[in-house]
Amino acid sequence: SQQGEEDPQALSIQEGENATMNCSYKTSINNLQWYRQNSGRGLVHLILIRSNEREKHSGRLRVTLDTSKKSSSLLITASRAADTASYFCATVPPPGTYKYIFGTGTRLKVLA
Amino acid sequence: DTGVSQDPRHKITKRGQNVTFRCDPISEHNRLYWYRQTLGQGPEFLTYFQNEAQLEKSRLLSDRFSAERPKGSFSTLEIQRTEQGDSAMYLCASSNPGQGSTYEQYFGPGTRLTVT
Repeated sequence: SQQGEEDPQALSIQEGENATMNCSYKTSINNLQWYRQNSGRGLVHLILIRSNEREKHSGRLRVTLDTSKKSSSLLITASRAADTASYFCATVPPPGTYKYIFGTGTRLKVLA
Repeated sequence: DTGVSQDPRHKITKRGQNVTFRCDPISEHNRLYWYRQTLGQGPEFLTYFQNEAQLEKSRLLSDRFSAERPKGSFSTLEIQRTEQGDSAMYLCASSNPGQGSTYEQYFGPGTRLTVT
């Protein structure tokens, strides 16, 4: 499979706790993105980190990128029940190709 | 701006039949992508259009799959002689490099195909 790997595959936490999910990939990238997919809904873009960046924040989201290890992590702080969803990383290739590669996803369940 | 729309939302077909799906991207977006997603997996790239030109196609796409984007607006994805293994959610996404957020994709709700 050409998909990236994410771990854990599933995560269950209490409301208010932090959730961390990890993504590993195989190819060179221009940037890496994280998407959320709620049950029965389409994917929604959350945050993008460029290959020359190491950390990025957006609200309760924090993303890190380690290009030497070809890995990224997404941290959701102070989780809410509404954060229950599947989270996917997607790698964007360097210019010249257009094939985004999505990971296998982490299914997050936040218990109220 | 009503977002990316896809039609139909659900399709049940018998093995061997042909099916066609439609995607209407956000109007000013010139980039359009098709993906396939099976249960418990992430979206898998199928093909990419920039305006009306199909610039990349997955090697996973067999000859039974074809996509078009006439006039660079809506796109269609056709599957000929469907097989049970084609059962999946087919997602369409669009993006616009002119928005500054060059690489963010906007996804439609998908078409769920069931082949019996």
